[in-house]
Amino acid sequence: DQQVKQNSPSLSVQEGRISILNCDYTNSMFDYFLWYKKYPAEGPTFLISISSIKDKNEDGRFTVFLNKSAKHLSLHIVPSQPGDSAVYFCAAWDPSGNTPLVFGKGTRLSVIA
Amino acid sequence: DTGVSQDPRHKITKRGQNVTFRCDPISEHNRLYWYRQTLGQGPEFLTYFQNEAQLEKSRLLSDRFSAERPKGSFSTLEIQRTEQGDSAMYLCASSRTGHRFAGELFFGEGSRLTVL
Repeated sequence: DQQVKQNSPSLSVQEGRISILNCDYTNSMFDYFLWYKKYPAEGPTFLISISSIKDKNEDGRFTVFLNKSAKHLSLHIVPSQPGDSAVYFCAAWDPSGNTPLVFGKGTRLSVIA
Repeated sequence: DTGVSQDPRHKITKRGQNVTFRCDPISEHNRLYWYRQTLGQGPEFLTYFQNEAQLEKSRLLSDRFSAERPKGSFSTLEIQRTEQGDSAMYLCASSRTGHRFAGELFFGEGSRLTVL
């Protein structure tokens, strides 16, 4: 069963507008969440993270929001740029154990100029 | 280059052959992970090491798969008697230990395996 779910396989957004990527999780032991970005033929690269003690973390154009009661997080990209076109993976981690990161299936973002 | 490096980047093999992938992590990282990614899926955990100790293995890691990290530096992932279902991108990642850094994995560019 999938512990980290990204229910939208793809998303298209116009350049300059906001991109919102969503992620849901089922395991209440997760309390550290990360977003990774992946271009074709490259490995995933870390983008931004958030701990469960926060509900928002911002880094430039990227903001991650966490709603722990709903077991939901989202990544906002404002303004979206064509170079943001990539696959975005949501990942979750339980720091209290030795379990590795658990990834969602990813959302392919296309930013149209 | 101080990133995670993987070799080879692409391997094409016939069913039944053995293949080996190598990963060199970031030098100061003592944790090393292997993940597998197939089309339309996110990275799926296979196994990980802390220094030379293999701490966890996924159920995905069948008996045909073996991973080593003999000196706590580079790692190898060997697949014996390859099957077409083994075709995937094999990703290596590394991280430091500790609360802040253990979650942030640094990935290599991957080794793509195609089994004919």
